[in-house]
Amino acid sequence: NAGVTQTPKFQVLKTGQSMTLQCAQDMNHEYMSWYRQDPGMGLRLIHYSVGAGITDQGEVPNGYNVSRSTTEDFPLRLLSAAPSQTSVYFCASSRAGGLYYGYTFGSGTRLTVV
Amino acid sequence: TQLLEQSPQFLSIQEGENLTVYCNSSSVFSSLQWYRQEPGEGPVLLVTVVTGGEVKKLKRLTFQFGDARKDSSLHITAAQPGDTGLYLCAGRSSNTGKLIFGQGTTLQVKP
Repeated sequence: NAGVTQTPKFQVLKTGQSMTLQCAQDMNHEYMSWYRQDPGMGLRLIHYSVGAGITDQGEVPNGYNVSRSTTEDFPLRLLSAAPSQTSVYFCASSRAGGLYYGYTFGSGTRLTVV
Repeated sequence: TQLLEQSPQFLSIQEGENLTVYCNSSSVFSSLQWYRQEPGEGPVLLVTVVTGGEVKKLKRLTFQFGDARKDSSLHITAAQPGDTGLYLCAGRSSNTGKLIFGQGTTLQVKP
């Protein structure tokens, strides 16, 4: 059981480049989310999804796009990378329907924008 | 604006000491979760509290949910070096599953 798989693990981009961070889960979880983690800031929610075809903005959505065409996959797109997007990105998934369900996190993507 | 405020942000203690981490919210959440994160890994769920006044114990860790469901605390008894890590509280919404985190508490337990 792989859980939540994020690729790549490390990435360096030049300002203005675009890229997609991949996230896949094999637990048939309805909910999926993307977070960024910066020193002293905890994890901040970028976008989240409650099911295939349904996405919504989180706390810091600017500069990021998402789509969810399948239950398993939830890619995060950076259209024009900026140095302020240098961060560690985490994807997470959870079952729906219960307050006790926790999120399972991937191991993260460390992104540097130069 | 962070809806969840954690304190302290950093804690360095000796092995065997007790400690408490606080998580305060300006909003009511359907449930509150505590996660622990180690360097280079994603957070891992420790516990979920749902009912106001609820107390849960996980070995030497005691979690409390405030009566008004807007604050929570994590108490560690006789801390050990293996407890070192980043502790995060998070509020979960019932209808969307949206999970919002506090800024975290970095705990260092020295032998």
